Amino acid sequence: NAGVTQTPKFQVLKTGQSMTLQCAQDMNHEYMSWYRQDPGMGLRLIHYSVGAGITDQGEVPNGYNVSRSTTEDFPLRLLSAAPSQTSVYFCASSALTGSQETQYFGPGTRLLVL
Amino acid sequence: AQSVSQHNHHVILSEAASLELGCNYSYGGTVNLFWYVQYPGQHLQLLLKYFSGDPLVKGIKGFEAEFIKSKFSFNLRKPSVQWSDTAEYFCAVKDTDKLIFGTGTRLQVFP
Repeated sequence: NAGVTQTPKFQVLKTGQSMTLQCAQDMNHEYMSWYRQDPGMGLRLIHYSVGAGITDQGEVPNGYNVSRSTTEDFPLRLLSAAPSQTSVYFCASSALTGSQETQYFGPGTRLLVL
Repeated sequence: AQSVSQHNHHVILSEAASLELGCNYSYGGTVNLFWYVQYPGQHLQLLLKYFSGDPLVKGIKGFEAEFIKSKFSFNLRKPSVQWSDTAEYFCAVKDTDKLIFGTGTRLQVFP
């Protein structure tokens, strides 16, 4: 199993550009989520999904869209990038097996918005 | 909604020193608690987790954590740290469908 994969690893955008961060998992996990990590602020949840066709907002959803058309993929879209979205983005997945689920994290995407 | 506080933002230790990192969550009831570690340049990995049962949880690499319900705490401990423990440590609590993280504690261990 490859686990949770993310592409790209690094990206530089200009303000106003759009892009999609890709996330895929091969563990047949129902639950997938996106976090951003900023110095001194830990990880903050952007959006999450409990299954294909179902998404919901986390703590900091503004400026980001998600969709979940398949169990494996959970892309994060920035429609009009802003410098405040400069961050490291982590995707995570877990099984929804009652109280025993553990989240597995991808390697992250480092995004710089100029 | 749940929240998590990690009061130690930056901890510096010498090798063989003992470690305790604080973690407090905001309200009681049934809680699922986690400690994750992020080594430099790497993604988060699970150190240990608590769901129920024995409040003293043992994890990987000699780490353990104690769930104290009356104090809303889940502190991480290691009796003797190594240089390779240099990393950032995150406490997290599960809140319905979401995993809520603390702001993290950066640990530096010097030889």
